[in-house]
Amino acid sequence: NAGVTQTPKFRILKIGQSMTLQCAQDMNHNYMYWYRQDPGMGLKLIYYSVGAGITDKGEVPNGYNVSRSTTEDFPLRLELAAPSQTSVYFCASSPYSAAQYFGPGTRLLVL
Amino acid sequence: GQQLNQSPQSMFIQEGEDVSMNCTSSSIFNTWLWYKQDPGEGPVLLIALYKAGELTSNGRLTAQFGITRKDSFLNISASIPSDVGIYFCAGLPEYGNKLVFGAGTILRVKS
Repeated sequence: NAGVTQTPKFRILKIGQSMTLQCAQDMNHNYMYWYRQDPGMGLKLIYYSVGAGITDKGEVPNGYNVSRSTTEDFPLRLELAAPSQTSVYFCASSPYSAAQYFGPGTRLLVL
Repeated sequence: GQQLNQSPQSMFIQEGEDVSMNCTSSSIFNTWLWYKQDPGEGPVLLIALYKAGELTSNGRLTAQFGITRKDSFLNISASIPSDVGIYFCAGLPEYGNKLVFGAGTILRVKS
């Protein structure tokens, strides 16, 4: 099993550009999550999904969108990138709502 | 919302020493998790605790689910250089379905 994979590993965006951060898991987990981690801080939940076709907002959803058309994939979309979205983004999955398994992260810089 | 207070914020210890860190809250949690994050990587699950009073080991790591259900502790015995990293606690609140994360403890080891 590859576990949770994320692409790209690193990206630089200009203000106002859009991009999609990809996340995939091969563990057949129902739950998937997107977090952002700012320097020296803990993880903040952006969006989560409890199964294909079901998504919900987390603590900091503004400026982001998600979709969950399959169990395996949970892409995160940034429509109009802003400097405040410079961060490291982690995708995670879990078989239920407790123990979560994280991907390696995507480092995003918005200039 | 629920918050987790993780302490200490950072530690700089001698190789071979034991390490203790903890996570406390004013709210009750049903699950406690401990993660380790290496530089440039995603958090990796170390130990999961599901019952008050539970004591669980993973090699040189031992974690406990506090009796009050409002705290958890992680101990690392005989530290080695590869223990360096950031350790996060996370908890699933009694009345909630989303993990709450602590801000992390930065561990540095002098060899």
